[in-house]
Amino acid sequence: GAVVSQHPSRVICKSGTSVKIECRSLDFQATTMFWYRQFPKQSLMLMATSNEGSKATYEQGVEKDKFLINHASLTLSTLTVTSAHPEDSSFYICSARTSHSYEQYFGPGTRLTVT
Amino acid sequence: SQKIEQNSEALNIQEGKTATLTCNYTNYSPAYLQWYRQDPGRGPVFLLLIRENEKEKRKERLKVTFDTTLKQSLFHITASQPADSATYLCALEAPGGSSYKLIFGSGTRLLVRP
Repeated sequence: GAVVSQHPSRVICKSGTSVKIECRSLDFQATTMFWYRQFPKQSLMLMATSNEGSKATYEQGVEKDKFLINHASLTLSTLTVTSAHPEDSSFYICSARTSHSYEQYFGPGTRLTVT
Repeated sequence: SQKIEQNSEALNIQEGKTATLTCNYTNYSPAYLQWYRQDPGRGPVFLLLIRENEKEKRKERLKVTFDTTLKQSLFHITASQPADSATYLCALEAPGGSSYKLIFGSGTRLLVRP
């Protein structure tokens, strides 16, 4: 149980374009979903927290107009990187939690490369 | 601000030995602490959660301790196997409340030699 999927697993896009990443909880309803980014050999940095049906809460320093998050249902959240630039190249990982547990269940991650 | 420290140097041990990883934190008192395993190019996988009122927790070959006085957690893998090789992350609930956010340490890479 507690499986989270992400799509796509890898994406290469040109500078200036937008990329959408999907995060789904497959066998449970996710009260809250989180989006992280991770640079090589570094830890996960939380970008934003999203609850179904409400606006995402962004961490300090994360541009909400650049990283659009939509949490339309209890099983789906999307992250759209708008007007991507090479410095946005990173490993993006989502996670989800239920209302009755503290642990987070992570997706397999999406490797974004902006050329 | 909150700070979580894990040994950035890789821990290299022989198969069958016990691996011990350390997580130290400063500046606040979390209600719980979690350990995750992360393999290269993959998302973390939840292993164990220990609450502030628990001194020790076990799961199969894993054992976690939580010393709120020392502000330290130790993560042990007994009878280690090459398949245990991975990066292990500790995570604490972020202070301030109701959003259940986690703050992650930078992780310690474990290498188990056959």
